[in-house]
Amino acid sequence: AQTVTQSQPEMSVQEAETVTLSCTYDTSESDYYLFWYKQPPSRQMILVIRQEAYKQQNATENRFSVNFQKAAKSFSLKISDSQLGDAAMYFCAYMGTLTGGGNKLTFGTGTQLKVEL
Amino acid sequence: KAGVTQTPRYLIKTRGQQVTLSCSPISGHRSVSWYQQTPGQGLQFLFEYFSETQRNKGNFPGRFSGRQFSNSRSEMNVSTLELGDSALYLCASSPNGGPAYGYTFGSGTRLTVV
Repeated sequence: AQTVTQSQPEMSVQEAETVTLSCTYDTSESDYYLFWYKQPPSRQMILVIRQEAYKQQNATENRFSVNFQKAAKSFSLKISDSQLGDAAMYFCAYMGTLTGGGNKLTFGTGTQLKVEL
Repeated sequence: KAGVTQTPRYLIKTRGQQVTLSCSPISGHRSVSWYQQTPGQGLQFLFEYFSETQRNKGNFPGRFSGRQFSNSRSEMNVSTLELGDSALYLCASSPNGGPAYGYTFGSGTRLTVV
């Protein structure tokens, strides 16, 4: 079974600074997708960024980028120029592509990000 | 474009009762998935429906069931509620359920069992 581990329960960053959230995963599949979701107090899970395992290039979305290390099974999220609106719980998630195990997201335990003035 | 709509937002039920939660996906999305979020267990996959068929099921007891209608709207039902069923229930929709498209989540239904 696939597992996703987020070892940082809480992180803090100063406004305008850069922060990196860590995520590791375990899988025997060679093709899969990884995601970072943000959950603010409104409770809605918002997709931040997505990475396809067969693509070596790291995904970027504006101030958000990932460092995907397939061999190490590591998938960290870097937030640049942090803003107050970035404060939220961040979840790393995995989805396989095999018919039997696909179509479900496996989530990590989350990292609570605080942004300070 | 309307997002994923979950109703109701909040629900309080008594132990032993049953409850039905509703999810309306984004127009054109045919896949609907359900997740349970609790402080102790985190986010756990319940089931996924695609074109009215359950394609995948998580490790939950048979008290948890769901269905999908021809318009892709989905409901999940929990019978004989237990205190441990108190959770945020999130619904997510996708065009076809494949990972390439990602999933769009609703704001959830907060269920409290007393």
